[in-house]
Amino acid sequence: GDSVTQMEGPVTLSEEAFLTINCTYTATGYPSLFWYVQYPGEGLQLLLKATKADDKGSNKGFEATYRKETTSFHLEKGSVQVSDSAVYFCALSDQNSSASKIIFGSGTRLSIRP
Amino acid sequence: NAGVTQTPKFRVLKTGQSMTLLCAQDMNHEYMYWYRQDPGMGLRLIHYSVGEGTTAKGEVPDGYNVSRLKKQNFLLGLESAAPSQTSVYFCASSYGLAGGPDTQYFGPGTRLTVL
Repeated sequence: GDSVTQMEGPVTLSEEAFLTINCTYTATGYPSLFWYVQYPGEGLQLLLKATKADDKGSNKGFEATYRKETTSFHLEKGSVQVSDSAVYFCALSDQNSSASKIIFGSGTRLSIRP
Repeated sequence: NAGVTQTPKFRVLKTGQSMTLLCAQDMNHEYMYWYRQDPGMGLRLIHYSVGEGTTAKGEVPDGYNVSRLKKQNFLLGLESAAPSQTSVYFCASSYGLAGGPDTQYFGPGTRLTVL
């Protein structure tokens, strides 16, 4: 079935460093792709999404491009801040479902040092 | 507009006890979901609902039951709690775009410990 694989954490960076969190997917069709973020003690919230190949999702300085040829949706940010410390989940829409279900990756914990 | 709320925030149970987790949303969403989050495993779908009066099994439904008597509420029940059900439980809801790229909105979670 469809699945998502993302890089294991934790990832620790210094403030203003460049961030990449890798995400690849396996799907039989053309799913939508998402990045969700979970700040400490909170639920998940949508960070960005892309609905078709070559689309770029962006929000709060984060970007990810839907690459069908490499089945990837890597998350990037040019200059991270301490406030970006959180767990990041890559996800895809389950196309075999009529209930808008989402399949999540295992999450990558990001810690930013001042 | 409170979004998605969950009650309680924390709970400790003994093995064999029962309890109900309540999820409420005020966004008039059709679809609602219950997930559990365990270290290193991401989120796994327990049960979901595509409308008032409907429920369906997700990836890990065993040991749980759900009910959606009102559109805004989605209840998750544990009839006889087991230590393996120690987890953080998240409720989510979405507008209900069948087959579409629907954003899910999450509650703050319930941390459950079963001794």
